[in-house]
Amino acid sequence: SQTIHQWPATLVQPVGSPLSLECTVEGTSNPNLYWYRQAAGRGLQLLFYSVGIGQISSEVPQNLSASRPQDRQFILSSKKLLLSDSGFYLCAWRGTGDSQPQHFGDGTRLSIL
Amino acid sequence: AQSVTQPDIHITVSEGASLELRCNYSYGATPYLFWYVQSPGQGLQLLLKYFSGDTLVQGIKGFEAEFKRSQSSFNLRKPSVHWSDAAEYFCAVGTPEGYSTLTFGKGTMLLVSP
Repeated sequence: SQTIHQWPATLVQPVGSPLSLECTVEGTSNPNLYWYRQAAGRGLQLLFYSVGIGQISSEVPQNLSASRPQDRQFILSSKKLLLSDSGFYLCAWRGTGDSQPQHFGDGTRLSIL
Repeated sequence: AQSVTQPDIHITVSEGASLELRCNYSYGATPYLFWYVQSPGQGLQLLLKYFSGDTLVQGIKGFEAEFKRSQSSFNLRKPSVHWSDAAEYFCAVGTPEGYSTLTFGKGTMLLVSP
């Protein structure tokens, strides 16, 4: 069966420091991959998605970037974190096919000090 | 572009009572519809999905949802709520031309009273 791993679970970083959050999927190939940010009372905001290696689509211009160096690996990065980058970050994957649902990891709670 | 509205930010239900969470969408054709549940500090878990066919969809944990095209709605129901159902619930919409992305509602927080 397919599983998705996200780490770390919790991260506390100072303003201006870099960021790297990693997400990997097992048990499937060529998944669509997604990064979301969730803020209290604001639902889920899609940040990036990828339909293949090296293919990244950005939904919202911001201080973050994403990369997909391998088929089942999706990385969220920042060179310099801002206070506004605090939040709960969720990675998700989806199989190919129009009607496939997205499946989520357990999330990373990022606090910027 | 599609949109999703969950009109209720919070709902409180007594344990054992029935539940209905509302979801309305805006889209020109029949979208793909999903309900997810999120416990505090956790990721989202898929409860059920609708793509086509029977408009009453059964999901996990005793939940069901009904697609009503005339009302552009996809409300989630459960006949008898358990304390463990307390969580946040998200409705989401996807479209065939949406490049696999989903649009989520802002969520409804379900509180269960004893």
